[in-house]
Amino acid sequence: DAKTTQPPSMDCAEGRAANLPCNHSTISGNEYVYWYRQIHSQGPQYIIHGLKNNETNEMASLIITEDRKSSTLILPHATLRDTAVYYCIVRVGRDDKIIFGKGTRLHILP
Amino acid sequence: GAVVSQHPSWVICKSGTSVKIECRSLDFQATTMFWYRQFPKQSLMLMATSNEGSKATYEQGVEKDKFLINHASLTLSTLTVTSAHPEDSSFYICSAEGGRGYEQYFGPGTRLTVT
Repeated sequence: DAKTTQPPSMDCAEGRAANLPCNHSTISGNEYVYWYRQIHSQGPQYIIHGLKNNETNEMASLIITEDRKSSTLILPHATLRDTAVYYCIVRVGRDDKIIFGKGTRLHILP
Repeated sequence: GAVVSQHPSWVICKSGTSVKIECRSLDFQATTMFWYRQFPKQSLMLMATSNEGSKATYEQGVEKDKFLINHASLTLSTLTVTSAHPEDSSFYICSAEGGRGYEQYFGPGTRLTVT
């Protein structure tokens, strides 16, 4: 079973920041938080991952709370192309299999 | 970099026949490949993990004699759905682990329809 809880859907206006929350209250000390997204009828796409520090790359920012029980993925300027299902996953690391939960379906509104 | 391809992208087959799906890592060597299945409006479900040169490890409830996985090289894994039935119709996605960051990179998926 997935170790994360996400809202089933969210709306965001185009051009605004999209903030996607994730709860992972049972996360272990050696588990990372990963985010993937799946655009309709395509394979999932890696977005970002982190252990305890906040992370930023060209796609998004990841904010992890100090107790590591929750995190937020931030898409700074959402576009229509960001419409997808976003999956928050916890895993030990690169050798660990990925178990997908139900994710959050993000709708970007024009 | 880190591109994973799948072939075919879609396939239609008759009930009782077998169909093979290929997963290739195009620009890196993948020590481990994973196979997922996704039904409409559902999440991805991990079917099996395959390591090059060894037998695949199947998740609970996945029939290993029905879903044959071969990982003969560091760039190719195949999934063969044997004696396909309409309930096997699904979106099959592979991922490969390797490359610079050792992340999992996903293929574009193969849509299988069994008539």
